[in-house]
Parts: sequence; structure tokens; C-alpha cells
Amino acid sequence: SSELTQDPAVSVALGQTIRITCRGDSLRSYSASWYQQKPGQAPLLVMYATDNRPSAIPDRFSGSNSGNTASLTITGTQAEDEADYYCNCRDTSSNYWAFGGGTRLTVL
Amino acid sequence: QVQLAQSGAEVKKPGASVNVSCKASGYAFTNHWMHWVRQAPGQGLEWMGIINPTGDIAFYAQNLQGRVTMTRDSSTNTVYMELSSLRSEDTAVYYCATDHSNSKPNAWWFDPWGQGTLVTVSS
Repeated sequence: SSELTQDPAVSVALGQTIRITCRGDSLRSYSASWYQQKPGQAPLLVMYATDNRPSAIPDRFSGSNSGNTASLTITGTQAEDEADYYCNCRDTSSNYWAFGGGTRLTVL
Repeated sequence: QVQLAQSGAEVKKPGASVNVSCKASGYAFTNHWMHWVRQAPGQGLEWMGIINPTGDIAFYAQNLQGRVTMTRDSSTNTVYMELSSLRSEDTAVYYCATDHSNSKPNAWWFDPWGQGTLVTVSS
């Protein structure tokens, strides 16, 4: 199955740590990528190949994978991290790239 | 710098077609597959399809098969997405994005993204 499941919304206190998860069968074989999207903006790559961070992304962002679950962790969350986060992974049996439904992160 | 510049907003009537362009600059466009992704108002991201560097292979999302066509022009570093038989549900922002991949581990990612093109389908 190509479906990826994310929690619709999570919240975190300023300066605390939050883990955003993405579950799907394809994650057992293929790596996830993660995208941050702020209102009115195009998505921005924040993590690729499970735990690789683009150079422009702060090191408070990290990624991991365990079994069928990929995670994006923000340590010391800042106000500017408030956004929607989407995971993506290629389907293992077809030429299809699935997005998770997205997680809205609110920073309190 | 590396960027993708998309064509402007479109308003179309139901049943019409729309063609969105995406021009790459600042990197080796001809080395990369290109994706198209759309986002309906207030909704999540939906993968539409991908086209190879030479433009002779494309894979489309099953729900769009028969209505979507992706092409590219290496001479102008531009990729195109045409969607036909438009209906109101096709109202969305359409994005192009550059594909990257790594075989160890098996990983694909989208970077950069175009700024998006709003397509409105309304009678």
C-alpha cells in the first residue's frame, strides 16, 4: 500500500521538543522526505533520505525511521517552526509518490 | 541560484484544458526527473506525476490518467503540465518540483519547488 498516515495536528510549547510521525508500509523499504509549508508559500524540503538535512535547515530538525514509521523531530522548537509538515515516500510496487495527509504544528 | 519559475494564474471553464509551465535555472535541468504536485484549497499535497529527463517517459497518478500530460523542452529548460476536461475539483495550486534520488538508501526527494500556479475552474 502507498498510503502514508500522519496525525492531523500537534502542538508544542516554545523551546520544547516535538516529534511528528508518518506511518506506512512503503517506509519499511524506502526512505521518507519531509516538507514544511507555511501559509501562502510553496513547500520547503527540510529532511531527505530519512535523516539528511539540507544545508539551509537549522540543526534543531532531525529525522529517523523505525520499521514502518518515519519521524521528524524538532528540538527547541521556535515560533517560526509553526507550519504544516508533510512526509513523502515512493510506493514500493508502482511509480507513485505518496504524500501523508500533513500535520499542522502549533507552537504555544 | 537554483530556482523554478512557473507561469501565472489561470481561470478556466469546466471542460477546458490548462497548460502550466515551469522554467528551471541555476542547475543541470537535463539531469533530473521532474514532478508535478497540486494542492486544493485548504487541503494537503497530491502527487500528480513525473517525467524523465528526455521527456519520453512519464508516470501519472491513477486518478489523473487520461487527463494529464507532462512534457519538457530541454532547449528552454522548461517542463509543462497539461490537464484537460477540467472540473471544479481541479481548482488548486499546481507546483513543479525537481526530483533527486539516492539508491543507498532507496530515497527520493523534491527540491526545489516552483512558486505555484493557481488554476481556478469556474463557470
